[in-house]
Amino acid sequence: GGIITQTPKFLIGQEGQKLTLKCQQNFNHDTMYWYRQDSGKGLRLIYYSITENDLQKGDLSEGYDASREKKSSFSLTVTSAQKNEMAVFLCASSSTNERLFFGHGTKLSVL
Amino acid sequence: AQSVTQPDARVTVSEGASLQLRCKYSYSATPYLFWYVQYPRQGLQLLLKYYSGDPVVQGVNSFEAEFSKSNSSFHLQKASVHWSDSAVYFCALTSMSNYNVLYFGSGTKLTVEP
Repeated sequence: GGIITQTPKFLIGQEGQKLTLKCQQNFNHDTMYWYRQDSGKGLRLIYYSITENDLQKGDLSEGYDASREKKSSFSLTVTSAQKNEMAVFLCASSSTNERLFFGHGTKLSVL
Repeated sequence: AQSVTQPDARVTVSEGASLQLRCKYSYSATPYLFWYVQYPRQGLQLLLKYYSGDPVVQGVNSFEAEFSKSNSSFHLQKASVHWSDSAVYFCALTSMSNYNVLYFGSGTKLTVEP
């Protein structure tokens, strides 16, 4: 079996700060995803990547950058944190569309 | 455009009772449909999926779901719930044309009371 590791587990930032979230997978999956989970709104896709150095925008990409420099890792950057923003960011990977494997999430709070 | 609606944000049932969690989708072509579950402090896990064929699909832990094209629905069911089924359940949809992208509903938080 494999695992998806997201770091950090908790992230506290200041308004306007650039913040980076990291994700590692050892499934050897081609496709990786970043989703944002807000209470009552479900999961919304920010970015995904179908292979190393590929980036595809999701519906929520504005305000974020992503980077896939290696097959096993996918990072997400909040370009300018918004005051009072609170959300959980979920990383996932898959080899096909049949099943996504998710990490436990990074919980972001902005002061 | 495709979308998924889970009309019930919270559902509470007693242990041993039957369960139905509702999911409605909007998509002009035939969708691929999924149910994922998020247990407390764990990542989302696939419960079951539907691509084609028999409209009733079986999943893990005795869950099943029924696809209805006429009703644009994919409701999740279980005959007898256990306290350990308490979790958040997400319905999701993807399409043949862009199968890398999953669209999720807003989730239903299930609480099973003893």
